[in-house]
Amino acid sequence: ETGVTQTPRHLVMGMTNKKSLKCEQHLGHNAMYWYKQSAKKPLELMFVYNFKEQTENNSVPSRFSPECPNSSHLFLHLHTLQPEDSALYLCASSPGQGREKLFFGSGTQLSVL
Amino acid sequence: EDQVTQSPEALRLQEGESSSLNCSYTVSGLRGLFWYRQDPGKGPEFLFTLYSAGEEKEKERLKATLTKKESFLHITAPKPEDSATYLCAVQAVGDSSYKLIFGSGTRLLVRP
Repeated sequence: ETGVTQTPRHLVMGMTNKKSLKCEQHLGHNAMYWYKQSAKKPLELMFVYNFKEQTENNSVPSRFSPECPNSSHLFLHLHTLQPEDSALYLCASSPGQGREKLFFGSGTQLSVL
Repeated sequence: EDQVTQSPEALRLQEGESSSLNCSYTVSGLRGLFWYRQDPGKGPEFLFTLYSAGEEKEKERLKATLTKKESFLHITAPKPEDSATYLCAVQAVGDSSYKLIFGSGTRLLVRP
């Protein structure tokens, strides 16, 4: 398997549920990112990890909790979400120097009921 | 405030009908401008990076150009497979090396 893989592809959850999104990259990169893509809105950067250390937290609500156990894996833990959190959540990776092109996964389409 | 605006929001072309997409940006200083293509149900795919005014990059039917205030993505003789959403993003001087400011995209439909 190559590239950036995200699971699940689709997720429906209630506001009281707890779920996790998973991202895995097979490119040997050191930086991993979470982006949120809402309908007709620009991509919003949520978190960045470089060499497993969080380097960016773009004022994301605490109901989103990232985890990066190693440079190849990234998780986004979700709890007590709101309907406005429904969106496409994209994971990306890059070699790790910054100012680089990003390699995106296909995303998880999340619906919060 | 740093801002990226893409126009038009949507564009319909006949196969073979050349056109241009616009990305205008307002940043204190530009480190780099990126173009991505996004197909439905997929993540964005990198196309080009431009760093300085006057720079141009080409790939098949696509050509990206950059001025001090905007970038154009020229599509020459498009084919139906060029249908996608094209995203522009900028990296600003003074921002984190990992931060990109994205525009809302241009949805391109090329009809056969």
